[in-house]
Amino acid sequence: DGGITQSPKYLFRKEGQNVTLSCEQNLNHDAMYWYRQDPGQGLRLIYYSQIVNDFQKGDIAEGYSVSREKKESFPLTVTSAQKNPTAFYLCASTQRGGETQYFGPGTRLLVL
Amino acid sequence: KNEVEQSPQNLTAQEGEFITINCSYSVGISALHWLQQHPGGGIVSLFMLSSGKKKHGRLIATINIQEKHSSLHITASHPRDSAVYICAVSWGNQFYFGTGTSLTVIP
Repeated sequence: DGGITQSPKYLFRKEGQNVTLSCEQNLNHDAMYWYRQDPGQGLRLIYYSQIVNDFQKGDIAEGYSVSREKKESFPLTVTSAQKNPTAFYLCASTQRGGETQYFGPGTRLLVL
Repeated sequence: KNEVEQSPQNLTAQEGEFITINCSYSVGISALHWLQQHPGGGIVSLFMLSSGKKKHGRLIATINIQEKHSSLHITASHPRDSAVYICAVSWGNQFYFGTGTSLTVIP
C-alpha cells in the first residue's frame, strides 16, 4: 500500500539533545512537508522540499533542520536550539503541481 | 495574521443532526481543502475544491469564491463523525491551515 510512515510514534528528548524524526513516503511524490501542531493552533510549516537536495524554510524553521537526500525520505532534526519542542509533528507529501496532501500518522515529541 | 478562520471552534450535536462548519479565508487560493483529524492524530483529506460543490457519502463541501467562504456539511451525523475538521487553502505548493473545529456527536 502507498502511504507515508513516520517514526517513532512517541519520542522523548532530554535537555540539550538533538533528536531526529523520520518520514518516508512511497507515493513517488516530489514535495514533502514538515508541520508542527500545538493545541489551539493550526498546523504551522517548519520546512518543505519540492525536489531532492533542495528545501526551504517555513514559518517556524528556527531550531530545526532537514535533509532531502532521497525522494522518499525527509527527516527532521529537532536541535537543542529549539527551546519549546514539545508538540505533535506531522509529515506530509503532495505530487508536484497536484494539491491533495497526504499525511503521516505523526510523532509526538515530549521533553524530559 | 490568520489567513483561514473557522467557526465554530467546538460543536456538540445529537446523533442524526445536520451539521455545518464554516471557513473563511483572506488570501488568493488555487484550492480549498477539508481535512479530518481523529483523536489519534492522523489527518486524512476529505475534499479538495476550487469551485461549486462536492459530495461524498454524508459529507458535502461547498465553496463561494467571490465571498471567500466554504462550508462543510454532515448529514445524519453519527458518533463516528466525532473528530477535528480542518479547513486549509493552497496556492501551488503552499498551504495555510485553520485552527480546526472539534466536533462531538452524542449517541
